[in-house]
Amino acid sequence: AQSVAQPEDQVNVAEGNPLTVKCTYSVSGNPYLFWYVQYPNRGLQFLLKYITGDNLVKGSYGFEAEFNKSQTSFHLKKPSALVSDSALYFCAVRDMDNTDKLIFGTGTRLQVFP
Amino acid sequence: GAVVSQHPSRVICKSGTSVKIECRSLDFQATTMFWYRQFPKKSLMLMATSNEGSKATYEQGVEKDKFLINHASLTLSTLTVTSAHPEDSSFYICSAPRPPGNIEAFFGQGTRLTVV
Repeated sequence: AQSVAQPEDQVNVAEGNPLTVKCTYSVSGNPYLFWYVQYPNRGLQFLLKYITGDNLVKGSYGFEAEFNKSQTSFHLKKPSALVSDSALYFCAVRDMDNTDKLIFGTGTRLQVFP
Repeated sequence: GAVVSQHPSRVICKSGTSVKIECRSLDFQATTMFWYRQFPKKSLMLMATSNEGSKATYEQGVEKDKFLINHASLTLSTLTVTSAHPEDSSFYICSAPRPPGNIEAFFGQGTRLTVV
């Protein structure tokens, strides 16, 4: 069965420092991977996706993610965190048995301190 | 870009009443939409898949008579919480995969339901 794990409930980082939000996946075949961000009382906003091609994917708001097939990981990164990046981040993988359905991780709350 | 609009963003209702939440795809047609429920500080729980022109597919443990889903057109799906109870209070979010290929999903703004 397909699954996604986000091992950290919360990540704290000082403004200006690099940030990493971790995600690992388990799928059969080649994965379609996604990162979404959620601000309080809002829906999810798409950040970036990996389908195929270059392992380093660049997305919105300066975020990027690296697909690592050997480690089955898709960690979200940003070189310099902003206080406004504080939000809830979700990693997701497409359910290969149902190509329209997304399987979400449990979410990681990112807190960026000034 | 593609946009999904959800309405209302916030609703308060009395126990025993029904509440309807709308999800619209504004600039694309969606044969499939998804309805999620999110508990505080928790991930998204997929409730059901809304299929245009046919019955919705509910996830295990979700009461279909409690959470009525209607996908009446290619741009509109509705979720009706019937005979609402305080334990139905939650944040409900819809999403629609964007054609072509339906690889990327767009999400509505969410609806905060409070049952008093």
